[in-house]
Amino acid sequence: DAMVIQNPRYQVTQFGKPVTLSCSQTLNHNVMYWYQQKSSQAPKLLFHYYDKDFNNEADTPDNFQSRRPNTSFCFLDIRSPGLGDAAMYLCATSRVLRDDEKLFFGSGTQLSVL
Amino acid sequence: KQEVTQIPAALSVPEGENLVLNCSFTDSAIYNLQWFRQDPGKGLTSLLLIQSSQREQTSGRLNASLDKSSGRSTLYIAASQPGDSATYLCALLNAGNNRKLIWGLGTSLAVNP
Repeated sequence: DAMVIQNPRYQVTQFGKPVTLSCSQTLNHNVMYWYQQKSSQAPKLLFHYYDKDFNNEADTPDNFQSRRPNTSFCFLDIRSPGLGDAAMYLCATSRVLRDDEKLFFGSGTQLSVL
Repeated sequence: KQEVTQIPAALSVPEGENLVLNCSFTDSAIYNLQWFRQDPGKGLTSLLLIQSSQREQTSGRLNASLDKSSGRSTLYIAASQPGDSATYLCALLNAGNNRKLIWGLGTSLAVNP
């Protein structure tokens, strides 16, 4: 009964070849987040959607884009992956943007760039 | 600028011990603090969330406390089990318009049978 589902679990792509990671949720939460986590580092927020409103972090490279076609799905597009983009990508949701709201994370997609 | 520190970076204990994980922060103007668990190569699971107005939260064998004045939170794990082995991260939500979580680097816990 996974609530935040990320596919695929592992993704291998080539340097410069566009790749899309997907996230779906069964929680009907308004907010969806994408985080990047490199080995032994804390998660780094890339962007989030509040419903259809997109909020990009100032230091997120232009190479990273996102789409949210409906409440349940959110995609992370990496237009031209570099070796430095190899990381675990985590999707998370929360019901609303409120101080007592927990985040629910998916299992992540481990991206390798060859 | 808010900074979150978790010490120690790694901890190894025998099964059955009670243990405390520490999280310290430099700016007391926070909305909440959360403790997460991360298993190797996996996503994060939210364990406990303490709002700014609260002092502690409990869930089963876990108890998290928050002392804003001293800039500290602790996660207490009672009667540790090998299944508790994981990395534990704390993250806090700063007061203000930016709702970005500020994360510690985590404490890697190993509970040995």
